[in-house]
Amino acid sequence: QKEVEQNSGPLSVPEGAIASLNCTYSDRGSQSFFWYRQYSGKSPELIMFIYSNGDKEDGRFTAQLNKASQYVSLLIRDSQPSDSATYLCAVNAGGTSYGKLTFGQGTILTVHP
Amino acid sequence: DAGVTQSPTHLIKTRGQQVTLRCSPKSGHDTVSWYQQALGQGPQFIFQYYEEEERQRGNFPDRFSGHQFPNYSSELNVNALLLGDSALYLCASSSRAHEAFFGQGTRLTVV
Repeated sequence: QKEVEQNSGPLSVPEGAIASLNCTYSDRGSQSFFWYRQYSGKSPELIMFIYSNGDKEDGRFTAQLNKASQYVSLLIRDSQPSDSATYLCAVNAGGTSYGKLTFGQGTILTVHP
Repeated sequence: DAGVTQSPTHLIKTRGQQVTLRCSPKSGHDTVSWYQQALGQGPQFIFQYYEEEERQRGNFPDRFSGHQFPNYSSELNVNALLLGDSALYLCASSSRAHEAFFGQGTRLTVV
């Protein structure tokens, strides 16, 4: 079992729709969770982080965390073509592993006009 | 405020050669982590430096080594390059109070 798994893509949504990206992790002791966006040929860009169970909203983005289910998701409302990118879920185990991020394989999102 | 800067941006090396990649962290950050990202994959953790010491290491051979300087900048060295070392090498800086931010990466091609 992979440490961090993301829903297989690619994911294609029409402009204006909600895009839903999902991620599960295996280490129950994981403490912090991140979503990065990576455009083709570029480096990952941090767009959301969440530490506590529940929802966290920032503009069109909402991160959801359920530690009991070891599940984290990212919702993108009113999707735009500029949101087309690879989305990476990353998990930090914390403790002595503080700062080490374990990434999923990424989900490619395409928003078509 | 400059973000995380890496150099060079692109590099072509021959099998068996050695390479050094450099990273300057974001202002206020004292921790530098290095990642390797193969095409179509998520970044893989190589190691992390804090207070000029390697604090954590991922599943990478000893051919991969690093260093952190007193000004928090860091180097990644790879010896005896293999074709499989071709990848995007990413540096991320962070501190206890901040999330990790990535530099633009160094694209290494081994031929």
